[in-house]
Amino acid sequence: AQKVTQAQTEISVVEKEDVTLDCVYETRDTTYYLFWYKQPPSGELVFLIRRNSFDEQNEISGRYSWNFQKSTSSFNFTITASQVVDSAVYFCALSELTGANNLFFGTGTRLTVIP
Amino acid sequence: DAGITQSPRYKITETGRQVTLMCHQTWSHSYMFWYRQDLGHGLRLIYYSAAADITDKGEVPDGYVVSRSKTENFPLTLESATRSQTSVYFCASSESFQTTEAFFGQGTRLTVV
Repeated sequence: AQKVTQAQTEISVVEKEDVTLDCVYETRDTTYYLFWYKQPPSGELVFLIRRNSFDEQNEISGRYSWNFQKSTSSFNFTITASQVVDSAVYFCALSELTGANNLFFGTGTRLTVIP
Repeated sequence: DAGITQSPRYKITETGRQVTLMCHQTWSHSYMFWYRQDLGHGLRLIYYSAAADITDKGEVPDGYVVSRSKTENFPLTLESATRSQTSVYFCASSESFQTTEAFFGQGTRLTVV
């Protein structure tokens, strides 16, 4: 079973629209970390945010905001007033603190912002 | 410049050949990682290293070999390349494995023909 599910494979929005990227995770650990990374067309992955399982406060950074809900095992990412530069593939990732290989990425959501 | 660099950026090789992908970081991070990125799979961990001379398998280690004789370098070798190893390979480094963010290189696009 997928540890991290990003059900939206591709999303297209018109510039200035708001868009939410969904991330649902699965873990039995009580302590874990969630991440979002951005992969622009240039190819490198850029870290956006880290959240540990004990901190359910939502976070806002400029036009970006994250909604972490343990009750639904979700860590959704919203871009407000989208811009063309937001066009990228976005990855959600889960890190568990038990076991050896325990950093799992979702399959990514490709966001296209149309001018 | 500080950062993490991979070389080459693009590589075409033939089935059965050995090929080595290089990764160098300047942050002195303890942890280094190799991932492969394939459509429909996201990123999958191949190998990681917690320090010089300490390496361990990730999710998809078969067909790959790593070494880490120096903290800053973490080469990935495909001993006998197969077409299924055609992929984009990313090297990353971080201060810890699970609790801190990773910094990624620009990737190496490898094609095995």
